[in-house]
Amino acid sequence: DAGVIQSPRHEVTEMGQEVTLRCKPISGHDYLFWYRQTMMRGLELLIYFNNNVPIDDSGMPEDRFSAKMPNASFSTLKIQPSEPRDSAVYFCASGAVEEKLFFGSGTQLSVL
Amino acid sequence: AQKITQTQPGMFVQEKEAVTLDCTYDTSDQSYGLFWYKQPSSGEMIFLIYQGSYDEQNATEGRYSLNFQKARKSANLVISASQLGDSAMYFCAMREIRGGSNYKLTFGKGTLLTVNP
Repeated sequence: DAGVIQSPRHEVTEMGQEVTLRCKPISGHDYLFWYRQTMMRGLELLIYFNNNVPIDDSGMPEDRFSAKMPNASFSTLKIQPSEPRDSAVYFCASGAVEEKLFFGSGTQLSVL
Repeated sequence: AQKITQTQPGMFVQEKEAVTLDCTYDTSDQSYGLFWYKQPSSGEMIFLIYQGSYDEQNATEGRYSLNFQKARKSANLVISASQLGDSAMYFCAMREIRGGSNYKLTFGKGTLLTVNP
């Protein structure tokens, strides 16, 4: 298995632009998580899905953030409009019940 | 309130020596799991070790062991015979079971370990 695949690896955009981060989880995993990592706040859970259904989105900072999982093999995290304070590394992770999470390589987002 | 507390922002250890990274947690659940992840400077998150709340034996994975003290709510990571490649950020995390099979993983702030030659 190729592991959790995230794209793009790096994204540089200007304030106000829409940003879409993509994630392909490991086949067979029924949980998918989106985390954000910054120096100040560490690793924050934004949202997670179980069997493509959003279970907890209490970590999503604002309405500018949205996440979807249209099928078991794909998820997106969208920021519209983006702001400089959204600059961070965004991780996607997948796992099965009772098992460890496997993380993608992350997307380094810079909003200028 | 913090669910996971890692009190050591940074730790130093000499190569070939053992080091303990501290982690305490807070939960009222009876069933939960504790994880340690390593994040080297390249940025990826690497799973190291897992301990379930009902596991009676401390988990071990090669040079990694987890010193699980349930009554004290601590889950310290012990790395034996440190290597230069162990220099990285280490995160403790907890999974709580909520509402059946649903769960979320909460991470501590991390400890930056530096192994000196």
